[in-house]
This record gives sequence, C-alpha cells and structure tokens, in this order.
Amino acid sequence: DTGVSQDPRHKITKRGQNVTFRCDPISEHNRLYWYRQTLGQGPEFLTYFQNEAQLEKSRLLSDRFSAERPKGSFSTLEIQRTEQGDSAMYLCASIRSSGTPRANVLTFGAGSRLTVL
Amino acid sequence: SQELEQSPQSLIVQEGKNLTINCTSSKTLYGLYWYKQKYGEGLIFLMMLQKGGEEKSHEKITAKLDEKKQQSSLHITASQPSHAGIYLCGADKGGSSNTGKLIFGQGTTLQVKP
Repeated sequence: DTGVSQDPRHKITKRGQNVTFRCDPISEHNRLYWYRQTLGQGPEFLTYFQNEAQLEKSRLLSDRFSAERPKGSFSTLEIQRTEQGDSAMYLCASIRSSGTPRANVLTFGAGSRLTVL
Repeated sequence: SQELEQSPQSLIVQEGKNLTINCTSSKTLYGLYWYKQKYGEGLIFLMMLQKGGEEKSHEKITAKLDEKKQQSSLHITASQPSHAGIYLCGADKGGSSNTGKLIFGQGTTLQVKP
C-alpha cells in the first residue's frame, strides 16, 4: 500500500492554458474525492466518485472543471482556460465506503499545487 | 450550513510547553476529525472522535469532544519541533452519515521554537 499518489506535485501555467492533475487512490478504496485548498484556508470539497460514477459536484466546480475516474481506478481533474483564481492546492483523498468507522477516514495525497500566472 | 471555527489561528510556543487548539462547530458534531498538514503537503490523519465526552490520545497529543458535541480541543503536551505544522479540524457534511465530504476549519498554524 503506497498511499494516495498525486501528479504533478507542482504546476505553473499561464492564464488561459489547460491543466490536468492525476490521482491514484489506495487500491482497495472505492471512493475518491477532490478538494481544493487556498492559502490560509482549510480544504473545500469539490467532487467525489464511487467506483467510476461521479456522485456529486460542489457548486465550487465551475464548467471549466471536469473530473473523471475511468474504470474506477485513477482519477483526473482537468481545468480548462485557467484563471489566476484557480491557483490553489488540489488534494485528492480516498476511502473505503464500507467497514468500520476507522475505515471511513479519508486518506489524503500530498496534493498538486497550481500556480496560474 | 455547518461551519467550523478554529482558535487560535496561529500559535508560537517554546519547545517543551503545552498548548491547546480549539474547534467550535455551529451544529452538532457527529464525527470530528483532526488532521495535521506540513506546509505545501497533504493532510495526515491524527484522530477521530464520535461520542460526546470522548477523549483519545496518541503519543503526546490528546483530543476531546465535549458532551454537547459542538466543541473539540486538541492538546499537545511538552511540544517538540516535530509538532510544528497546520492543524485542521473537519466534520462530515452528511452529519451522522459518513459521506467523506468534509468541511474544515481554517486551520491553526503551530510553530515550536527550539
């Protein structure tokens, strides 16, 4: 078990460009979550998947954001036409939705930091 | 909607001193999570509290959930430089349901001076 992996760790892009982040969850975890964290704030929920199905999207997720989880394994988060306000840490987390309460604790990845110039 | 307020926002303590971080919720907490974050990195799970009056300890860190389940505290005894970081409390938006959709407080930044 190598934990939740995210790639890239850092991304610097120019306004208007598209960026994509990848998350590889813990293998036996069926739920995968994306959060966004801006400087000095706690993480905010964006969206989550159960297996390959995207079950909920926060209103924070504008039309420029799209997330996928093909085959219920890794997930990608794409941001189109980036804006300076998109600069943030994008965190991925996974969980096994059934089992003991301890099993319902989110395990977070190290995050992907986006800077939009 | 539920909100979590942490205090203090930042804290600087001398190594060896004790400290407490508080997390207050606008609604009843059905599960309260404490995470630690090093700057620029992901969140590391510390403890989860579910029952009113519950208290858990791990090494020199103790977390408590009050009887009314609206306030939690995190206490560090004999702080060390390794305790430095950002401490975040979180609660499930689903209330008693473990949805995994957490709301977080704004975090408390701890510095420990050697």
